Amino acid sequence: GEDVEQSLFLSVREGDSSVINCTYTDSSSTYLYWYKQEPGAGLQLLTYIFSNMDMKQDQRLTVLLNKKDKHLSLRIADTQTGDSAIYFCAERNSGYSTLTFGKGTMLLVSP
Amino acid sequence: KAGVTQTPRYLIKTRGQQVTLSCSPISGHRSVSWYQQTPGQGLQFLFEYFSETQRNKGNFPGRFSGRQFSNSRSEMNVSTLELGDSALYLCASSSGQEGTEAFFGQGTRLTVV
Repeated sequence: GEDVEQSLFLSVREGDSSVINCTYTDSSSTYLYWYKQEPGAGLQLLTYIFSNMDMKQDQRLTVLLNKKDKHLSLRIADTQTGDSAIYFCAERNSGYSTLTFGKGTMLLVSP
Repeated sequence: KAGVTQTPRYLIKTRGQQVTLSCSPISGHRSVSWYQQTPGQGLQFLFEYFSETQRNKGNFPGRFSGRQFSNSRSEMNVSTLELGDSALYLCASSSGQEGTEAFFGQGTRLTVV
């Protein structure tokens, strides 16, 4: 079955880079997403990558995809205290709109 | 362009009651998906509607149902509420075409007492 796994917690200092990792099991996943959730809020789409890509960069965000190992990572450069939130990795299969989410990684950025 | 609107934002209901939640997708989007978020189970898919038809369904009991109207607005209904139904219910809007993004609303926080 489908399964998405993430580490639960990451703590960094302001100005450092953060790397949040995710692994998935479904080889038919075609799109992989990163969402951010702040306390009491919904999910904010940060970025997504198509499975035939290795890397995508969007301002401070860099997504790396290793399709062979089914490993996805999100790198946040120059992490700010406002980046403190829970980050969810999600996969979607071709032909379906359903997203399968990981449990989320809580990122804590200290001054 | 307005985002995804979910109403109400907060609800308190008693066990055994029923509840209806509403979601208005982004203008032009025809797909609405519903997710339940709890601390224990995380985010779980409930169902997806596209052009008024249920296109996919998650593994939830029949007490959970939904529908979509011709203007793409969707409602979700939970009957005979249980304490375990307390959760944040999130709605996602997308065009429904393959490869497009899904945008979420702020959610409805349901508390069952």
